[in-house]
Amino acid sequence: KAGVTQTPRYLIKTRGQQVTLSCSPISGHRSVSWYQQTPGQGLQFLFEYFSETQRNKGNFPGRFSGRQFSNSRSEMNVSTLELGDSALYLCASSLALAGGTGELFFGEGSRLTVL
Amino acid sequence: GQSLEQPSEVTAVEGAIVQINCTYQTSGFYGLSWYQQHDGGAPTFLSYNGLDGLEETGRFSSFLSRSDSYGYLLLQELQMKDSASYFCAVNSGYSTLTFGKGTMLLVSP
Repeated sequence: KAGVTQTPRYLIKTRGQQVTLSCSPISGHRSVSWYQQTPGQGLQFLFEYFSETQRNKGNFPGRFSGRQFSNSRSEMNVSTLELGDSALYLCASSLALAGGTGELFFGEGSRLTVL
Repeated sequence: GQSLEQPSEVTAVEGAIVQINCTYQTSGFYGLSWYQQHDGGAPTFLSYNGLDGLEETGRFSSFLSRSDSYGYLLLQELQMKDSASYFCAVNSGYSTLTFGKGTMLLVSP
């Protein structure tokens, strides 16, 4: 069974640009969530999608957005990039079963460097 | 808001037992999860406690006390490959996790 796939794995952008990151969840998983990981702040929740609907959103500015497609694949977009957006962006998928363990399956991440 | 506290670093030797504590303050709580992350790798799920008590999975055990807002991860028979960062995380619903800052475990020979 293929794991969570994220593309691209590495990318470099300059301030003011925008970036789109892609995530393909494990087959059968309908929930996709995104996290930002930095050395100073750790893992921070960005948003979660289930069946193309955003169910929850973290405390990030509106420059961060996402969407989910009918095949459960998800994209996140960051516009007007700032130096502080440099981070590892992790996507995770899950079955999102009620009363479940909440186990998330993470991808390897997309490492974004903003210059 | 939500906050979790865990030690930043723990060191131990091979074969030893180590406990990583986690205290949390949260407005919504379904359970406490633990994840392991090796340098440059993806976080991987270790265990979950939805109810008070001890959950055991091989060399790893996890404990939760909801009344004390406290949990811990216990790693037994430490191996060099256990050197990694360990994160506790509160499940607050909708596959949303709030993570602690992580504990770096260094296992020496």
